[in-house]
Formats: sequence, structure tokens, C-alpha cells
Amino acid sequence: GAVVSQHPSRVICKSGTSVKIECRSLDFQATTMFWYRQFPKQSLMLMATSNEGSKATYEQGVEKDKFLINHASLTLSTLTVTSAHPEDSSFYICSVRHGHEQYFGPGTRLTVT
Amino acid sequence: TQLLEQSPQFLSIQEGENLTVYCNSSSVFSSLQWYRQEPGEGPVLLVTVVTGGEVKKLKRLTFQFGDARKDSSLHITAAQPGDTGLYLCAGAVQGAQKLVFGQGTRLTINP
Repeated sequence: GAVVSQHPSRVICKSGTSVKIECRSLDFQATTMFWYRQFPKQSLMLMATSNEGSKATYEQGVEKDKFLINHASLTLSTLTVTSAHPEDSSFYICSVRHGHEQYFGPGTRLTVT
Repeated sequence: TQLLEQSPQFLSIQEGENLTVYCNSSSVFSSLQWYRQEPGEGPVLLVTVVTGGEVKKLKRLTFQFGDARKDSSLHITAAQPGDTGLYLCAGAVQGAQKLVFGQGTRLTINP
């Protein structure tokens, strides 16, 4: 069964609006979650590491004020894309690490019109 | 800087053939994972290798971790159309939580 869930699976929004994506760890508590984005026919690019109860750690080149991450509980992390633009359209995937393994959610397809 | 070089990036072969995908690095990894991803879905974990020289088998898939824990390979025997997908290797650098991903291998098995 699924270890990580994401909601929504698909979202279309207008340019300038904000979109929130939820990532839930279903099988175990996760003090750390990871957010990736993936462009068509490319590999995954890590955006940020979400830490429960503290600030997220962003990768170089990722705007923390544009991609807001909140890890309020041991099973839920949210990514909010603020003032979305068409270039933010992408496939966003979260993951949870458990021991040596890292499990991924099913992804969220964001389309900004 | 890409720490994990994955090759080939594209591979299209006939059903029944064998193939090998490689991931190479100059960095040492505490563990390495292989994933398979279908279009529009998240990556699904196939295997994790931890020990240098380790070999793991998953039906027709054989995974090997290099002795020095810097490289890995995925070998598929008698490939089937259902094996089609994007294969990703990802390594965990010692002391770090995040994974480093290879560029991916887009595999197509033709009936």
C-alpha cells in the first residue's frame, strides 16, 4: 500500500494565485520530508528539506518566499506555491525517508494558466 | 555538479533482450536506491543496497553495489514491455539526509 500520499493530484490555477500541496506520511512519523520538482523527461530536482517544528532548508536557487513549506506535524508537510506563474508549472513530488529507504508520493501536477 | 552519472539516458530494445543500466560517481554513498517511475506518477522504490559488493535480485532484475560504494548497476534479463519506464538511481551521501539522483534512464521495451 501507499506509504506517502499527496493532495491534490492535479491542480490548475491562474497566474498570480497561490496553490497549496499537501504531503502525508501514512505509515510512520517523519521528522523530515523532501520536496522535489520534475520537468518533462527529466530527473527529480530537490527543492527543499522540510523539518518538523523548524524552518525548511532550501536548495540553492530555490526561492523560499515563493515556495513556502510548513511541516506542522510528524505526518504532514505542505508546499505553497505563492504568486504562481506559468513557469512554475511542473510535477511536484514529496518524499519521506525511513531508515535507508526514501519513499515518494504520487506527485501533484501543477498547471498555471 | 552532477554527482551521479547514469547511463544510458535512453534505451530502446526488443522484448526478450537483456540490458544493463549504470550509475557511477566519484563520491562514496552510504546507500543507493533504484526507482522506477511511470508517466504521471511518483517514483516507486525497487531496491536499496547498502553494503559494498552487495547483489540483490528482484525476479528478472539484478542490482549490484560496487565494492567501494561509488557505483551501481541494474541488469534486466529477458526484458518485457511491462519493464518500460524511467529508471532512476539515487545515492545517499554519508552524513546527509538528502538523495542525489542520476539523470534517469528512459527504457522502452518493444513487443
